Order: sequence, then structure tokens, then C-alpha cells
Amino acid sequence: DQQVKQNSPSLSVQEGRISILNCDYTNSMFDYFLWYKKYPAEGPTFLISISSIKDKNEDGRFTVFLNKSAKHLSLHIVPSQPGDSAVYFCAAYRGDTGRRALTFGSGTRLQVQP
Amino acid sequence: DAGITQSPRHKVTETGTPVTLRCHQTENHRYMYWYRQDPGHGLRLIHYSYGVKDTDKGEVSDGYSVSRSKTEDFLLTLESATSSQTSVYFCAISDPLSPSGNTIYFGEGSWLTVV
Repeated sequence: DQQVKQNSPSLSVQEGRISILNCDYTNSMFDYFLWYKKYPAEGPTFLISISSIKDKNEDGRFTVFLNKSAKHLSLHIVPSQPGDSAVYFCAAYRGDTGRRALTFGSGTRLQVQP
Repeated sequence: DAGITQSPRHKVTETGTPVTLRCHQTENHRYMYWYRQDPGHGLRLIHYSYGVKDTDKGEVSDGYSVSRSKTEDFLLTLESATSSQTSVYFCAISDPLSPSGNTIYFGEGSWLTVV
């Protein structure tokens, strides 16, 4: 049972345009969501996060939107750059357990074309 | 970098042999985790620790054990390696009382091949 799903395995966009990566979750107890970026042969790098008390969080070119009623979040990258080409993982955890055990989606490979 | 060192970074071992992966952190974070990454599965939690000598099982803990005798070190042991444990292993750290708050940081990974 996949509690966090990234239904698009890959996405290709042109440099300068917007990249939108989507993530759905089924566990309504998740209340903290994170996005990670991963290059080959490296560990995941934290990008941006959002708690369930918010519906938007912005950090430079990256914005995460959370729709709790739809159990859906998205990561917007504007403008997209070739260096953004990587695999992006959505992850979530339950704050009430205090353990912060992340549940990950399977990832979306983003390719930004010059 | 979040001050996380994994060792070894690469290892090839034979089926049935024991293997220990080490995660060392310099951030004094209370929580430490071991994940594995496999194609099509994202990262899956193996075990985690919320303090010295306090550990718990994650989603895919069968065949693995862990130990944490010091805050800075979290060891993952494969008692008898199998080919299904060929994977990339990532250590992670977190501490809600740290300036990074709710963020969880990952190490660079350990590539394990069981032949």
C-alpha cells in the first residue's frame, strides 16, 4: 500500500518554463511534507517543506502547495534551469509519533532542456 | 553538507556473509535513520533510532539489525547478506530541537552489492 504516490515517473520541460511536480498521499495522519532532489550517486538533498497548517511555502524559485482536502501537494519550479535536472522525491511524516519516519514517493525524473 | 559520513561507500560481499554499514554524524542530532533505495520504490525505512540504545523497526526491517551506542554513530548490520539486500543505503538525521527543526538530512549513500 503506497501511502505517498508520485504518478509521473518523468517530466521534461524547457529551460525558463515552469516545472510542476505532483504528489498524492493517502494517510490523513501525515502532517509534514518535504521535497528532496537527488542526483545520481548522491544522497537526497532537502529542497523545501510544508506543514499541514499551511497551504503554500515559497523559497526562491521553489514553491510547494498543499491541498489537504484532496491529499495532494505540488512543487513548482520557476524558472526551470538545466541544473534542476534530477529525480525529485516527495516525502511525508506524522508529527504526532515524534519519530519523523519519512514515507517516500517513488520519485519523478525531471529533465530541463536547454 | 549536514555532517553525515557513511562508510563504506561501496562494498561487494558474498551471500551469507555479515556486513556492517556505519553512519557517523557531527551534528549531535538525536534521531538517526537507515533507508534503502531500490528502483521503483523510492526510499524505504529500515530502522531508526531516537536516542542512544533506543531503536525501532521501519517498513523493511527483516534481515537487518541496528545498534546505537553513541549519539554520533548508528550501525546497520546485515547478519547474513542475501542478493535481495543489494541496494543503496542512506543514513539520515533529524532533531526537532535543532535550528533545522523539522528537516531530515541524508548522507551520500553506501552502495552494497551481494553476489
